Amino acid sequence: GAGVSQSPSNKVTEKGKDVELRCDPISGHTALYWYRQSLGQGLEFLIYFQGNSAPDKSGLPSDRFSAERTGGSVSTLTIQRTQQEDSAVYLCASSLARQRQAFFGQGTRLTVV
Amino acid sequence: GEDVEQSLFLSVREGDSSVINCTYTDSSSTYLYWYKQEPGAGLQLLTYIFSNMDMKQDQRLTVLLNKKDKHLSLRIADTQTGDSAIYFCAESKENNRLAFGKGNQVVVIP
Repeated sequence: GAGVSQSPSNKVTEKGKDVELRCDPISGHTALYWYRQSLGQGLEFLIYFQGNSAPDKSGLPSDRFSAERTGGSVSTLTIQRTQQEDSAVYLCASSLARQRQAFFGQGTRLTVV
Repeated sequence: GEDVEQSLFLSVREGDSSVINCTYTDSSSTYLYWYKQEPGAGLQLLTYIFSNMDMKQDQRLTVLLNKKDKHLSLRIADTQTGDSAIYFCAESKENNRLAFGKGNQVVVIP
C-alpha cells in the first residue's frame, strides 16, 4: 500500500481481556517497529523486526506483550490480560533496510476500561 | 534518565518564527530527526540531519546541530496555523530504533 496501515484505529476493551493490534507496513520495507505513546509521554520503543533476524524485544514492558511478523510483512502486537496502564496509542513504523527514514502509521488508540 | 529532552509548550503568532530545542544523549547517533504529529494523526517525518552536518535547510525549516553540546534545534520560518502540532525530536539508536523526546506542542495564534 501507499503507507503504513494499522487496524483497528480505535479499540476499547475490558480489563483482563486480550487484544491484537495489526500493522501492514509499506511494501518492500524489511524493518518494522512498534512504539507506544501514552498521554503526556513521548514515544516508547517496544519491539523491532528486521528481515529474518531475531526481533529486538528489549522494549516490551512485560511478558503480557508479544509481537510477531509473518512472512516478513504484516505484524501483530498482542497484549494479554490487559491492564488500565496499557491504555495508549500504539504506533507502527516501517523502513527500508539500512535506511533510517521510518514511516509511521496512524496508530491504534487502545482504551482499557 | 531521558535519552532525549524537549521543552513542552510554545505559543507563536502567525508569521513569526518558531524555534524548538532538543538535547540528546547518544553522541554516536548517526541521524537526528524532527517529526510532526497533528491531532489524531500519526507521526510525519519533517526533516532529518546527518550527524556530520551543522545545519540543514529545507524550505521554511532550518535544523541546527551542535554535536559538542548534543543540542538540536528546529526553526520554522513564517509560522502558519497549519504548523500547530506536537513536534518530536528523535535520535537513532542501535538496531535502527528511534529514541524520542516527549514532544513540544506548538500553538500558532492567528
